[in-house]
Amino acid sequence: ETGVTQTPRHLVMGMTNKKSLKCEQHLGHNAMYWYKQSAKKPLELMFVYSLEERVENNSVPSRFSPECPNSSHLFLHLHTLQPEDSALYLCASSQDGTEDEQYFGPGTRLTVT
Amino acid sequence: AQKVTQAQTEISVVEKEDVTLDCVYETRDTTYYLFWYKQPPSGELVFLIRRNSFDEQNEISGRYSWNFQKSTSSFNFTITASQVVDSAVYFCALINYGQNFVFGPGTRLSVLP
Repeated sequence: ETGVTQTPRHLVMGMTNKKSLKCEQHLGHNAMYWYKQSAKKPLELMFVYSLEERVENNSVPSRFSPECPNSSHLFLHLHTLQPEDSALYLCASSQDGTEDEQYFGPGTRLTVT
Repeated sequence: AQKVTQAQTEISVVEKEDVTLDCVYETRDTTYYLFWYKQPPSGELVFLIRRNSFDEQNEISGRYSWNFQKSTSSFNFTITASQVVDSAVYFCALINYGQNFVFGPGTRLSVLP
């Protein structure tokens, strides 16, 4: 079974919609991450969760709201997004801290219209 | 501040050629980790290697090898006898202990048959 799964793989939403991205890891890891990958920018770390507690929020706008109900699941709730939020959103997990290698999911390709 | 530079935006080689991807990093810390990830067209980043700052031994894994030189703050990646399946975007990343990843902008490698 794939280590880290993400759903949906593709999402098109209007600026007034509310949607959620889901990530699940089957590796028994304790840390999970959300990244944003845009065409013209390096990979940007958005949020870090360790043992279900948020340990990092890299100045992400409040229209992105993460949720980590347990160590295997991570959500990214989206509302009133802007067209510039269109990107590939990647989820990752690692055994413990951020110095461990991370295992990535396939990403959700988000388009905001 | 941490920074990772991958000066080569795109590289094209013909199958069976050797290719080296450059990575230069900046950090003030003495303890840090360096990583290489591969992102094939499917989008999922794949972990390749992690090195800590105290281990400057070069590493070889099959056709892949890594040259870590603290004196020049470089962590270069060489693919020997490249194959079409090596076509991907390759990212170098840096993390200081207890902090979060900084990814380089990536190098797109195209291996032509």
